[in-house]
Amino acid sequence: DTEVTQTPKHLVMGMTNKKSLKCEQHMGHRAMYWYKQKAKKPPELMFVYSYEKLSINESVPSRFSPECPNSSLLNLHLHALQPEDSALYLCASSQEIGELFFGEGSRLTVL
Amino acid sequence: KQEVTQIPAALSVPEGENLVLNCSFTDSAIYNLQWFRQDPGKGLTSLLLIQSSQREQTSGRLNASLDKSSGRSTLYIAASQPGDSATYLCAVPDTGANSKLTFGKGITLSVRP
Repeated sequence: DTEVTQTPKHLVMGMTNKKSLKCEQHMGHRAMYWYKQKAKKPPELMFVYSYEKLSINESVPSRFSPECPNSSLLNLHLHALQPEDSALYLCASSQEIGELFFGEGSRLTVL
Repeated sequence: KQEVTQIPAALSVPEGENLVLNCSFTDSAIYNLQWFRQDPGKGLTSLLLIQSSQREQTSGRLNASLDKSSGRSTLYIAASQPGDSATYLCAVPDTGANSKLTFGKGITLSVRP
């Protein structure tokens, strides 16, 4: 089962809302990632969790808050976002250094 | 700092044509190289992963090659079909930070029926 599941697929939120994106994998991967992708651009790395610990934070604004409750789950908590944060948010997982598997993404629109 | 280049940005071919997509990278000390496919509005699908010790990998009509010394990889698609239309991205781990991938900007392929 090479699947990474992301929910919700679409999310519309106002700038004062608090919402969360969720990601789940059951491949036994120990690294999980959040990427942000704008239209016609490659994905940009936001966060990396390795063995449930945050190992890379690419200077992401604090209005994005990641959480890794266990080895299969990864959340991205959103608060006080700006319209320019509208994008496709992609979750991925891998063995420590190996093939990266992506989910279908959550399309976020901030009004 | 690793840089990955994919040229051209877009390619249109008639159905049935064999084609090659190119990817170049500046730092040859890579651990592996991965090719992805992305359909509009969708996530990335892993096509092939080539380890640094390998020269090529094959999956169905796809064949990816890797030449570390020249900093190049190619994705060969045999007998292209309209369903192959998508954006193809290559990515390599950053030097010294294997968890971080550097992506090319992608090649948008259109296969005409």
